Amino acid sequence: EVQLVESGGGLVQPGRSLRLSCAASGFTFDDYAMHWVRQAPGKGLEWVSGISWNSGSIGYADSVKGRFTISRDNAKNSLYLQMNSLRAEDTALYYCAKDSRLDYYDSSGYFEIWGQGTMVTVSS
Amino acid sequence: SYELTQPPSVSVSPGQTASITCSGDKLGDKYACWYQQKPGQSPVLVIYQDSKRPSGIPERFSGSNSGNTATLTISGTQAMDEADYYCQAWDSSTGIFGTGTKVTVL
Repeated sequence: EVQLVESGGGLVQPGRSLRLSCAASGFTFDDYAMHWVRQAPGKGLEWVSGISWNSGSIGYADSVKGRFTISRDNAKNSLYLQMNSLRAEDTALYYCAKDSRLDYYDSSGYFEIWGQGTMVTVSS
Repeated sequence: SYELTQPPSVSVSPGQTASITCSGDKLGDKYACWYQQKPGQSPVLVIYQDSKRPSGIPERFSGSNSGNTATLTISGTQAMDEADYYCQAWDSSTGIFGTGTKVTVL
């Protein structure tokens, strides 16, 4: 069974850092691009970042560029999101999502499988 | 920046057809996909590459994309289809989600 399990969320003060992890199982992890998508409470979905199968191509939403860093460890079947300089507006449920393609920027790609999400709350 | 606009809400009677639109500049030149999200659950892909259905998605879900509008159609809507629906496309290597539509089955 294909499964994505996020972890690392929690309550953090503005300006501090947090690292999210996503453990993948049930598929060949290094055959697919991966993404982080977030959803603020009561709001819609927002793409945060994507990374290609070999980490060769990486992209970020303008709202997080320069503050967040996506990475992956194919040997550990894991995806990460390092979040620095956190703001109140980063408060959201963060989902890990499996792409259908190798490269995250492939315009024919889509989010095939989603995890259950990990909640990040930025508040003093 | 690129935007995808959806109606905030759509109401439909059981057994009838619900149509949800997603509007964006020259959206027909891109691939559109659709996600269903029920309360407290993660999104689920229901349509990809404009009109393809993933395995396990009922045939009553269909999609089209032309001009500036992509459309998700639910034929013979059932109570279990009540959910939020989001369209999504790619623009300049950035993932773009629509504003979301709440489908209510009355």
